[in-house]
Amino acid sequence: EAEVAQSPRYKITEKSQAVAFWCDPISGHATLYWYRQILGQGPELLVQFQDESVVDDSQLPKDRFSAERLKGVDSTLKIQPAELGDSAMYLCASSLEDLTYEQYFGPGTRLTVT
Amino acid sequence: QKEVEQNSGPLSVPEGAIASLNCTYSDRGSQSFFWYRQYSGKSPELIMFIYSNGDKEDGRFTAQLNKASQYVSLLIRDSQPSDSATYLCAVNHWGNSGGSNYKLTFGKGTLLTVNP
Repeated sequence: EAEVAQSPRYKITEKSQAVAFWCDPISGHATLYWYRQILGQGPELLVQFQDESVVDDSQLPKDRFSAERLKGVDSTLKIQPAELGDSAMYLCASSLEDLTYEQYFGPGTRLTVT
Repeated sequence: QKEVEQNSGPLSVPEGAIASLNCTYSDRGSQSFFWYRQYSGKSPELIMFIYSNGDKEDGRFTAQLNKASQYVSLLIRDSQPSDSATYLCAVNHWGNSGGSNYKLTFGKGTLLTVNP
C-alpha cells in the first residue's frame, strides 16, 4: 500500500539551530501539505503545494520557516533558527488533485527544541 | 476564520457499546467532511469521509452529515478497546488566502476511551 514517507521520525535540537524535515508523498499525488500539530490540538496547515507551486502559506512563519518542492515530488521544510515554541509534531500529507481532496498523512516528525 | 468544534472529552464507553462523536463547523460553504483517528504519538489516519447529507456506513463506522445544522457525527458500533484514540473532525473549504486552494480545518479532537 502506498504511503507518505517522512524523515527523520524524531529530532532534538537546541534553540537557534537549523532543522530540516523531508517528505515524499504518495506517487501521483500532486498536492502536498505540511502541518504542525501541538499536543492537544488539531493539525494546523503551514504550507500547501500544487506540484512545485505554493498555493497557500498564509500560516507559515516566514521569518524562520521555509518550504520547497523543487521538482514537484518530494519536499523539504526548514526552520532557522529554531525556537522553544517550535516543539511539535510536523506532519506531511498528500492528496490527488480531484474533488475529493482526501488527504493521507505520513508518520510525522516529532521535534523537540531545548 | 473557519472553525471546527468538537467536545474534547474524554468520552468513555464500555466495550460493545456505541460511541457517538460530534462536530460542528462554521463555514456554510463547506462541501467535504472527514474523520481521522489518531493514536497517541502517531499521525492521523483517515477512516471516513462524507459529502452528502444523510448517513454513510463503512463496517462498524457510520458518518452522519446535516449541512442545514452544520453538524457532522461519527458513530462507532460494537466499540473495541482498539478504538481508543483521539478522533479528529476535519472540514474542507476554500482557503482564506484568496488563492484557488481547498484546505482542511481540523477540530481539536475528541479522546475516546473504550473500557474492557
